[in-house]
Amino acid sequence: AIWMTQSPSLLSASTGDRVNISCRMSQGISNYLAWFQQKPGKAPELLIYAASTLQSGVPSRFSGSGSGTGFTLTISCLQSEDFATYYCQQYYAFPYTFGQGTKLEIK
Amino acid sequence: EVQLLESGGGLEQPGGSLRLSCAASGFTFSSYAMSWVRQAPGKGLEWVSGISGSGASTYYADSVKGRFTISRDNSKNTLYLQMNSLRAEDTAAYYCAKDSCSSGSCYSGNFDYWGQGALVTVSS
Repeated sequence: AIWMTQSPSLLSASTGDRVNISCRMSQGISNYLAWFQQKPGKAPELLIYAASTLQSGVPSRFSGSGSGTGFTLTISCLQSEDFATYYCQQYYAFPYTFGQGTKLEIK
Repeated sequence: EVQLLESGGGLEQPGGSLRLSCAASGFTFSSYAMSWVRQAPGKGLEWVSGISGSGASTYYADSVKGRFTISRDNSKNTLYLQMNSLRAEDTAAYYCAKDSCSSGSCYSGNFDYWGQGALVTVSS
């Protein structure tokens, strides 16, 4: 299985900040990586796929970068509705796996 | 608008069985692969199983292989997960998820829409 290391696990920030979340793979996965946002009691929502492609309807303050083994989700100007938990997911090889999650909280 | 609505969750004893359903609407169901992803209380996400649009190909995580069976009825736009020999560690919210791949035979693992989840609790 492909192991994923997502960091940080907890991130404190303020509205208007720029934040980065990292996801590292135990082996190269090309660009087969997605990012999800999950709010308490709700289903995950797809933000980015193919490492850097924004899902339809997702605000442009979200962006993704990286290829191979290292990936980053950037939120350029935090809004109040962005405080949530974020997960990366690889879909390069079975079993498809998710990162451990990053909880983004208000500082 | 894509809608996915899970049902069938509940409390079951260890060793018991449950069948989850996911009713889909807003897209051509038979054209898309579908998946089940679960989340134990307070934990992260775990891919469980997937099935191609035609139903000819199925995929399972090792943790459920031999115990869970994924299937679909394209005439009813419904996805199923038959869960047998349930264990305490199967306790989780189970989400159905639509795959972005629109060929009847493909399965990409890129989940673009999710249902609201069905809670399964395995306890004596």
